[in-house]
This record gives sequence, C-alpha cells and structure tokens, in this order.
Amino acid sequence: GDSVTQMEGPVTLSEEAFLTINCTYTATGYPSLFWYVQYPGEGLQLLLKATKADDKGSNKGFEATYRKETTSFHLEKGSVQVSDSAVYFCALSDGGANSKLTFGKGITLSVRP
Amino acid sequence: DARVTQTPRHKVTEMGQEVTMRCQPILGHNTVFWYRQTMMQGLELLAYFRNRAPLDDSGMPKDRFSAEMPDATLATLKIQPSEPRDSAVYFCASGLEVYEQYFGPGTRLTVT
Repeated sequence: GDSVTQMEGPVTLSEEAFLTINCTYTATGYPSLFWYVQYPGEGLQLLLKATKADDKGSNKGFEATYRKETTSFHLEKGSVQVSDSAVYFCALSDGGANSKLTFGKGITLSVRP
Repeated sequence: DARVTQTPRHKVTEMGQEVTMRCQPILGHNTVFWYRQTMMQGLELLAYFRNRAPLDDSGMPKDRFSAEMPDATLATLKIQPSEPRDSAVYFCASGLEVYEQYFGPGTRLTVT
C-alpha cells in the first residue's frame, strides 16, 4: 500500500538557518503530495501541496518540489524563524474517488533565537 | 473565519466509562475524518465519511469504537467501554476535497 517516510527527528536550528526536511513516498499511480504543519496545541494545517510531477508548492517561505524520479517531496525554507517551530507532516493522496491522506510520522522542528 | 469545532477539548474519565466526542464540520464541507494522535503511533485515521455515509472505518477498533454523522452539522465518535490505551488526542477534520482537510483543535482524552 501507499506509504510516506520522513527523516528522523527532532530537528533543532538557529534562527535564520536553512531548513530541509526529507520526505519520500511509495505509491501506485500518480499521487498528490502535501505538507501539513501542526503548531503546539493545535490541529494540522495544510502548508503546501503539489498535484503532479515537477510541480512546486510554496507558502509562507516554504517550498517543496514533486520529484517523481526520486519519489521525494522535500520541504525547504531559506531562513527559519522561531515562529516556525512546529511538527511537520508529509502526506500523499492517490486521488481516487474515495481516497484519503496517508501521513508520515511527522518531525518536530525547534528554532532557537 | 469558518472553523471545525470539537467538544469537549479535554476529557478525563475512568476505565470502563463511555466517552462521546463531537465535531461540527465547516458548513458546506461534505467529507469528515476522525484521527487519533499519540506519541507512539503518530497520527492514525480512524474513520471517514462523505455526504454523511461512512466510507472507511477500518482504522477503528470495532468492538469499542463507533462513529456516526446524525446530520450534516454533527459527527460523533464514541468509545464504550474506554480503556487506558485509548488515551490520545482525537482530531476531527472536514473538507470538500480529500487533501484540503481542515482540522479541529482536538479532544485530549485521558482514561485512568
């Protein structure tokens, strides 16, 4: 079945550092890919998405490119802020009529001033 | 600003008691999901509905859990009887498309 693998965490960075969070997937067909973010004490929020190969999703300074050849969707940000401290989830959907999201385990990012 | 609401936000109960969690999806959304989040297992999909019809509840322990949508504005998740291993944060999410899921703030359940 479909699966999403995220790099092991947690990740701790200093403010203004460059961020990369790795995500790879296994799926049949052509899934859509997503990053969700969970701030402390809240539910998940959609951060960005890409629905086909080579698409780049972006939001709030974060970017991720759908790489079909490497089955990856790595999240990047050029300069992190303390307010980016959260848990980040990579997810996929196979797009079928009754499809659902398959989430990775999530990774905690802490940004120190 | 439309939001998914969940009640209660926190629940502490004793083993063996019935627990009911409620969710009000965003008006107009036709898909509702129930998730459970724990440190050990991460985020697990328990069940989901489209147009109030259950599509998949394979993630739910059938003997003690039940999920329903009595109407378009209310989804419920019940645990009877509750057990300590059910302690978790339970999230409801709603959406129009499968990936545009809007999550509620969650119900933190503690079973002692």
